[in-house]
Amino acid sequence: AQSVAQPEDQVNVAEGNPLTVKCTYSVSGNPYLFWYVQYPNRGLQFLLKYITGDNLVKGSYGFEAEFNKSQTSFHLKKPSALVSDSALYFCAVRDPSGGSYIPTFGRGTSLIVHP
Amino acid sequence: EPEVTQTPSHQVTQMGQEVILRCVPISNHLYFYWYRQILGQKVEFLVSFYNNEISEKSEIFDDQFSVERPDGSNFTLKIRSTKLEDSAMYFCASSAGQNHYGYTFGSGTRLTVV
Repeated sequence: AQSVAQPEDQVNVAEGNPLTVKCTYSVSGNPYLFWYVQYPNRGLQFLLKYITGDNLVKGSYGFEAEFNKSQTSFHLKKPSALVSDSALYFCAVRDPSGGSYIPTFGRGTSLIVHP
Repeated sequence: EPEVTQTPSHQVTQMGQEVILRCVPISNHLYFYWYRQILGQKVEFLVSFYNNEISEKSEIFDDQFSVERPDGSNFTLKIRSTKLEDSAMYFCASSAGQNHYGYTFGSGTRLTVV
């Protein structure tokens, strides 16, 4: 079975400071990992994915995520937060050896960037 | 940038009534999905659809639910007899492939069953 956890309901950070949104996963094989962002009154937007290769993945809007197999984590990061980054962030995982093509999404983490 | 369009944005219905949620996926995408999110809970997979048939479904997607692609552009989710616990945000999504493609989601329909 595949599962994903986002341990923080909310993350607060000051503009200009680095931000991290945490995600941990559980799969039986090697995971496919995804981050999505949801701005108010909009659908989820794809940010980035890890399939294979470099553990550090770069995505849209200056975000990046680091795949850490030993810690089963895929934390989302940005060196310098913007107020406009305030949104709901969803992590998702798929186990390609699991027989299903459907990723499992987390509950979401609300990121609030203060001016 | 292409978008997935969902209508209506908000629907209120009485318990026991039928509702149809509508979606227009991105035109060159082949895979279509419905997810839902009950307030404060996880985004849950309901069903995926490819080549005019259901390819996967979750245990949530019981006989009360059905999906249809009635023409070349729309993708609908029908709930035959709504229950209070069906109140949620329903998201439609589409993707070009299914192996490791990202999904494009619509803005969602907030369904309130009273």
